[in-house]
Amino acid sequence: AQTVTQSQPEMSVQEAETVTLSCTYDTSESDYYLFWYKQPPSRQMILVIRQEAYKQQNATENRFSVNFQKAAKSFSLKISDSQLGDAAMYFCAYSRTGAGSYQLTFGKGTKLSVIP
Amino acid sequence: GAVVSQHPSWVICKSGTSVKIECRSLDFQATTMFWYRQFPKQSLMLMATSNEGSKATYEQGVEKDKFLINHASLTLSTLTVTSAHPEDSSFYICSARAQAAHSNQPQHFGDGTRLSIL
Repeated sequence: AQTVTQSQPEMSVQEAETVTLSCTYDTSESDYYLFWYKQPPSRQMILVIRQEAYKQQNATENRFSVNFQKAAKSFSLKISDSQLGDAAMYFCAYSRTGAGSYQLTFGKGTKLSVIP
Repeated sequence: GAVVSQHPSWVICKSGTSVKIECRSLDFQATTMFWYRQFPKQSLMLMATSNEGSKATYEQGVEKDKFLINHASLTLSTLTVTSAHPEDSSFYICSARAQAAHSNQPQHFGDGTRLSIL
């Protein structure tokens, strides 16, 4: 079974600074997807970024980028120029590819605080 | 695009009542919908996977007779918590994945339903 581990229950960052959230996973599959979701206090789940395992290039979305290390099974999220609105719970998630229902396996989350 | 509407957002009811939660994909057709439960300060726990026109697949430990799931169309799935008790109080979130020829469509989440059983 696939597992996703987020080892940082809480993190804080100064506004305008950069922060990196860690995520490791375990799988025997060679092709899969990885995601970072943001859950603000409103509790809506918002897709931040996703990475396809067969792509070596790290995904980027504006201020958000990932460091995908397939051999190490590591998938960290870097937030640059942190803003107050970035404060939220961040969940790393894994999904298989191929035929099937593509369910997500979530990590336990990292609570990010942004200090003004 | 890819909006998922979940209703109601908050419901309070007496113990023994059955509660229905709706999950709709507003601008796309969703072959598969997922139902999650989230306890305070915890991650999302998958309860069941719902495929249009077929029976839902429940995760281990989830009572199918307690949490009835219906996915009658490509845009609507419902979760009914039958004879709800205080221990069923939680935050329930649905998600939907669009139909696609490839498996690279992400899940889009509803805003969740806070269920409080008195």
